[in-house]
Amino acid sequence: DQQVKQNSPSLSVQEGRISILNCDYTNSMFDYFLWYKKYPAEGPTFLISISSIKDKNEDGRFTVFLNKSAKHLSLHIVPSQPGDSAVYFCAASTSPRGNTPLVFGKGTRLSVIA
Amino acid sequence: NAGVTQTPKFRVLKTGQSMTLLCAQDMNHEYMYWYRQDPGMGLRLIHYSVGEGTTAKGEVPDGYNVSRLKKQNFLLGLESAAPSQTSVYFCASSRGQGREKLFFGSGTQLSVL
Repeated sequence: DQQVKQNSPSLSVQEGRISILNCDYTNSMFDYFLWYKKYPAEGPTFLISISSIKDKNEDGRFTVFLNKSAKHLSLHIVPSQPGDSAVYFCAASTSPRGNTPLVFGKGTRLSVIA
Repeated sequence: NAGVTQTPKFRVLKTGQSMTLLCAQDMNHEYMYWYRQDPGMGLRLIHYSVGEGTTAKGEVPDGYNVSRLKKQNFLLGLESAAPSQTSVYFCASSRGQGREKLFFGSGTQLSVL
């Protein structure tokens, strides 16, 4: 049973518009969430994270929102750029130290069209 | 500024052959991981290690073995390769678990014919 779900395998957005990538989770013990970005032929790289004590975290054009009651988080990219075209993975963790590794979603492929 | 290095980058095996994938990290991280990425399946954890001399099973451990004899190295072995093991393999390391972010290598593309 998937504990972290990214239900949209792909998303296309025009350059300059907002990209919204969604992630749902089922395990109420998760309280730390991370987004990773992956380009073709490269390993994933960390993008942004959020703790459950917050409902929003911003880093430049990237903002992650967390809705604990709905067990839902989303990554907003504004404005979207062609260089943002990549696969985005949502991951979740238990805290504070965590005895188990991160759980990843299946990823969403974002295509930003110029 | 190497980070996590995986060798080889590409490999083609015949069914039944064996091979070892090597992962090396220079960040003095305690934790190391092996993932596989398949289309539509995301990143699935094969095995991981919480320190030198330790290993643990992940989500999809069957058909693989691992060893962590040195802190900086984590080896993934396939004793008898099968076509179902055709995949892209990623090694990662982290300082800890939970809130610690993972640093990934660039991957190994393995094809089993």
